[in-house]
Amino acid sequence: DIQMTQSPSSLSASVGDRVTITCQASQDISNYVNWYQQKPGKAPKLLIYVASSLETGVPSRFSGSGSGTEFTFSISSMQPEDFATYYCQQHYNGPVTFGGGTKVEI
Amino acid sequence: EVQLVESGGGLVKPGGSLRLSCTASGFIFSTHTMTWVRQTPGKGLEWVSSISGTSSDTYYADSVKGRFAISRDNADKSVYLQMNSLRAEDTAVYYCARRAAIRGIDYWGQGALVIVSS
Repeated sequence: DIQMTQSPSSLSASVGDRVTITCQASQDISNYVNWYQQKPGKAPKLLIYVASSLETGVPSRFSGSGSGTEFTFSISSMQPEDFATYYCQQHYNGPVTFGGGTKVEI
Repeated sequence: EVQLVESGGGLVKPGGSLRLSCTASGFIFSTHTMTWVRQTPGKGLEWVSSISGTSSDTYYADSVKGRFAISRDNADKSVYLQMNSLRAEDTAVYYCARRAAIRGIDYWGQGALVIVSS
């Protein structure tokens, strides 16, 4: 199975900060990476698909980039509602696999 | 609006069985692969099983192969996960999710909590 190594596992940020999270795949997965946001007690919510496409209705402060094995997710200016846990996921080949998550805290 | 609603979670003893159901609305159900993903505090998000739109292909994680069975009823717009020989390590929130060809897993249900404990 393809492994997704996500870092950091947690970070502290303030409103207005730029936040960046990375995911490294164990093999070339082209651009088949999604990014999700999850708040406590809720299901994950799709933010970014195929590495850089913004899901409909998601604010433009969220963005993603990368291809091959290295992927980056960014929030350009943290808002109070953005404090949550973020996950990367690959769906290139075989079973989908997830990164370990990044908890973004104040 | 796409909606996925799970039911059937609960407390079960080790070795017992449970059947999860997920009812879909807001999209053409029969054209989408459906997936179950579980989440535990210790292991994060883990893919469990998937079934193609026509039920011709089913897939399982090694951790559940031989114990869990996925099925669907396109007339009822429902997908099911029959879980047998349950173990403590199967304790998790189980999410039903839709998989799209390019977008991957794009919609999730609210989750069903399964607790395996004596």
